[in-house]
Amino acid sequence: GAVVSQHPSWVICKSGTSVKIECRSLDFQATTMFWYRQFPKQSLMLMATSNEGSKATYEQGVEKDKFLINHASLTLSTLTVTSAHPEDSSFYICSARYSPTGGVETQYFGPGTRLLVL
Amino acid sequence: AQSVTQLDSHVSVSEGTPVLLRCNYSSSYSPSLFWYVQHPNKGLQLLLKYTSAATLVKGINGFEAEFKKSETSFHLTKPSAHMSDAAEYFCVVGGGYNKLIFGAGTRLAVHP
Repeated sequence: GAVVSQHPSWVICKSGTSVKIECRSLDFQATTMFWYRQFPKQSLMLMATSNEGSKATYEQGVEKDKFLINHASLTLSTLTVTSAHPEDSSFYICSARYSPTGGVETQYFGPGTRLLVL
Repeated sequence: AQSVTQLDSHVSVSEGTPVLLRCNYSSSYSPSLFWYVQHPNKGLQLLLKYTSAATLVKGINGFEAEFKKSETSFHLTKPSAHMSDAAEYFCVVGGGYNKLIFGAGTRLAVHP
């Protein structure tokens, strides 16, 4: 249980185009999902918190107009990188908060999406 | 504010020998602590979590961690390393608003 998927796993795009990344919780509902960015050989940096049915909360320094987040259902959040540039090339990882009845909340992570902007 | 420090950026062990990955945390309240593992070009897998129950937490794949409040530590151990344990390990503390705060990571290398 508690599986999170991401699609696509790899994407290569031209500079100036937009790219959409999907994050799905497959066997549980997640009112809250998180988007992280990871540069090579570095730790994860939280970009934003995605809340179902409301606006995302962005971390300081993250451009909300560049990284559009939509959490339209309890199992799907999307991250759209608008007008992508080479500096946006990175590994993007989502997580979903799982709150089992009587249990402890835990974040489960997707497998990540590697974005390369040419 | 919460923070976490992983004391070693790289750890190298021989197969069959013990593993120790060190982590210290800072938290203004009783923390939730986690260890995640990341294999190359993969997402993160939860190894174990501490949430104020037993101080010795057992995880998957033979890993365990001990919460020591007096030392503000949450070190990860395994009695006998396996080649498949080679990966990046992240110590994580739960921050406010359900956020996770990641350490810088420790790369574990396992040699035959």
